[in-house]
Amino acid sequence: GESVGLHLPTLSVQEGDNSIINCAYSNSASDYFIWYKQESGKGPQFIIDIRSNMDKRQGQRVTVLLNKTVKHLSLQIAATQPGDSAVYFCAEKGSGGGADGLTFGKGTHLIIQP
Amino acid sequence: EAQVTQNPRYLITVTGKKLTVTCSQNMNHEYMSWYRQDPGLGLRQIYYSMNVEVTDKGDVPEGYKVSRKEKRNFPLILESPSPNQTSLYFCASSFAANTEAFFGQGTRLTVV
Repeated sequence: GESVGLHLPTLSVQEGDNSIINCAYSNSASDYFIWYKQESGKGPQFIIDIRSNMDKRQGQRVTVLLNKTVKHLSLQIAATQPGDSAVYFCAEKGSGGGADGLTFGKGTHLIIQP
Repeated sequence: EAQVTQNPRYLITVTGKKLTVTCSQNMNHEYMSWYRQDPGLGLRQIYYSMNVEVTDKGDVPEGYKVSRKEKRNFPLILESPSPNQTSLYFCASSFAANTEAFFGQGTRLTVV
């Protein structure tokens, strides 16, 4: 779910359902990936990260899956709650040893329907 | 409480009037950076710093300056702001470039 225009991709789910947010990354040399959550009026907040030597990592109610073959990252949120409404960003960091920071996707807006 | 603090949170200024946005972190992080966030473009890195007195350009450095005289502070300076610098700015810090970044609350800048 990356946007190339002015409008963010939107994912609308029912409260209690599972959410899956997708991200396609561009740099095959990236070896570190993070998911951030950004609520309205706030800075991005870390959710979960994964390094390229793994294909799955679980946190509390969240799971990140990494498919390096197709350069795809996903964030799964279990039993979605109203507080999960936010914009979700994936970010990647290349393995070249450069000191430049994370490259962010453009975000997906998750909307929770009651 | 571990945090990144930016000031001011909101700022309206006129074209050409120099301004500084401050950023301070209390986590003893080596790495600090500035991002701007614009609709449809996500977060783009402006400048970063690997340590005291070490700074470098990110993806969109034009029109900005930074300094890193102390480990905890990383101010963003706009010498002559222009309307295209109207944006939401975030400061972030981390142990290293490839570790989790902690973000400040953001500074919404409007240049008229």
